Amino acid sequence: GENVEQHPSTLSVQEGDSAVIKCTYSDSASNYFPWYKQELGKGPQLIIDIRSNVGEKKDQRIAVTLNKTAKHFSLHITETQPEDSAVYFCAASSRIGNEKLTFGTGTRLTIIP
Amino acid sequence: GAGVSQTPSNKVTEKGKYVELRCDPISGHTALYWYRQSLGQGPEFLIYFQGTGAADDSGLPNDRFFAVRPEGSVSTLKIQRTERGDSAVYLCASSLTGSGGYTFGSGTRLTVV
Repeated sequence: GENVEQHPSTLSVQEGDSAVIKCTYSDSASNYFPWYKQELGKGPQLIIDIRSNVGEKKDQRIAVTLNKTAKHFSLHITETQPEDSAVYFCAASSRIGNEKLTFGTGTRLTIIP
Repeated sequence: GAGVSQTPSNKVTEKGKYVELRCDPISGHTALYWYRQSLGQGPEFLIYFQGTGAADDSGLPNDRFFAVRPEGSVSTLKIQRTERGDSAVYLCASSLTGSGGYTFGSGTRLTVV
């Protein structure tokens, strides 16, 4: 089955700087890669996703890149703000319609004011 | 409703007891998922419903776990003879099939004492 590794497990960034979180996956058939943000006591919230036919996707301060050959994908957050502090999870799915996601172990991002 | 609703938000039960966890998905979402999240880990897939049927239950850990969705909307996750190792946050999510990422509820925190 799919295995997703995520690093770093913790990341502290000065407010205004950029943050990068990286994930690798094992199943070459995986074709859908979402990123979720989870705040304390809440469920994960989808912040951006990418499909295997695209190499990069941006949404304001957030971007995701995908390298299918190397089987890794990354989340980039620019101009970080205190409200970006949370746990971030990457995930991968090899099913059409993304029925079953395999999640990474999470990155606790802390933005230092 | 506006989001995925899970009840109760917290449940404490004694070892060996039976529990039911409820999920109300977003209206119109045909796909419903259950995940389990242990402390410091990413969510782990349990079961996926498409309409009333369980399309993939490969993540259920053993036969003490069972889930139903009789009318294609509300779902109940049932755990028999609970064990301390069942303690976790149980997350429910829903989606329009093929439309992209899930919307998660806030979860039910189950504690088995």
